[in-house]
Amino acid sequence: QVQLVESGGGVVQPGRSLGLSCAASGFSFSDYSMHWVRQAPDKGLEWVAVISYDGVKKYYADSVEGRFTISRDNSKNTLYLQMNSLRSEDTALYYCAKVRGGDGSFDPWGQGTLVTVSS
Amino acid sequence: DIQLTQSPSFLSASLGHRVTITCRASQGISSDLAWYQQKPGKAPKLLIYAASTLQSGVPPRFSGSGSGTEFTLTVSSLQPEDFATYYCQQLNSYPITFGQGTRLEIK
Repeated sequence: QVQLVESGGGVVQPGRSLGLSCAASGFSFSDYSMHWVRQAPDKGLEWVAVISYDGVKKYYADSVEGRFTISRDNSKNTLYLQMNSLRSEDTALYYCAKVRGGDGSFDPWGQGTLVTVSS
Repeated sequence: DIQLTQSPSFLSASLGHRVTITCRASQGISSDLAWYQQKPGKAPKLLIYAASTLQSGVPPRFSGSGSGTEFTLTVSSLQPEDFATYYCQQLNSYPITFGQGTRLEIK
């Protein structure tokens, strides 16, 4: 079955960097665009970034543009999110999600990895 | 950016009742809308895509409708497992945006 497992979360000081990974299995990873979505504690969902199936096209939320970089390694079936210049408002549970199909909806989602930005 | 406004933000309803959640977009998005269910401590789960198509494995008591700027999610007969938070999402253009969520609780 399709499975997405995020890792790399933790506690980091403001201004520092952190890298997240999302290991994919159960589907042909190189055929699908992938997304990162985050959810601050007790808040709603915020889309973060998307990368096309081949890694060529990338789009970001304004809130992370210039600080976060999405990438993928199709040979390792892994999605990444490099987060630089972290701020307290980046504290959230970060989910990776697979595009379901041509409509673009997200299915499934991983279980999330928690990033806490605090001094 | 396209803004999505869900109403109500909070809904209290009884088992077996029918409920409807509305999602309004700040500009037309055709049928590029999805609905998700999220339970505490869990990842969101896709319920409906392309505004009205039921995702595989989702019970038929869930249905979606609408196009353009107004969309609805209906649960025809509430079951205990349906009490959760529901989000709409637009996929028409970047940045992808979500509604603020509707929390559905047992009355």
